[in-house]
Amino acid sequence: DAGITQSPRHKVTETGTPVTLRCHQTENHRYMYWYRQDPGHGLRLIHYSYGVKDTDKGEVSDGYSVSRSKTEDFLLTLESATSSQTSVYFCAISGGPRGTGELFFGEGSRLTVL
Amino acid sequence: KQEVTQIPAALSVPEGENLVLNCSFTDSAIYNLQWFRQDPGKGLTSLLLIQSSQREQTSGRLNASLDKSSGRSTLYIAASQPGDSATYLCAGGINTGGFKTIFGAGTRLFVKA
Repeated sequence: DAGITQSPRHKVTETGTPVTLRCHQTENHRYMYWYRQDPGHGLRLIHYSYGVKDTDKGEVSDGYSVSRSKTEDFLLTLESATSSQTSVYFCAISGGPRGTGELFFGEGSRLTVL
Repeated sequence: KQEVTQIPAALSVPEGENLVLNCSFTDSAIYNLQWFRQDPGKGLTSLLLIQSSQREQTSGRLNASLDKSSGRSTLYIAASQPGDSATYLCAGGINTGGFKTIFGAGTRLFVKA
């Protein structure tokens, strides 16, 4: 299994509070991604990173920001959480030395916003 | 708009049956096609990756094929087992300045003992 660790794995918070999810990889992959998975919508890309301090928006980026200060860490921040952001969040990586573009996922972080 | 469609949405089969899961995609410019397995409450596990220059990949009882000209991929599972019960997702890698991936909604498979 790819070395991807997400934290926290579960979080319950209240509307309006800030939340930060962390993704840590030990694979030295160039690209890192944050997805959310919701019933009826499947997996949707929030933001991605193509290198340290290089990030870009995905299809559902409103209300989210990201940062990548080190190759191994990619943070997803909800500045002011809303109930619509209740979801399961997955971190993924790709761009390893083999150059295949294969995508590997973390175990997910379940966020509930009350 | 780039789309990936999976048929059927759900499938129930008896143990031991051979089965085929289907995936179709609209963008013939995909550079790879990846099949994943997802168990309830878990992340996605990569099963097979087919590069655009390849026709198929095999791993154990799994065989995945890719036909870019028709926009289709299939995942063949031989001699299904109850442990194969999970949701299977296919995803097409699209090169738009970065490695972006478009996911299908998945096929929920239940293998009855």
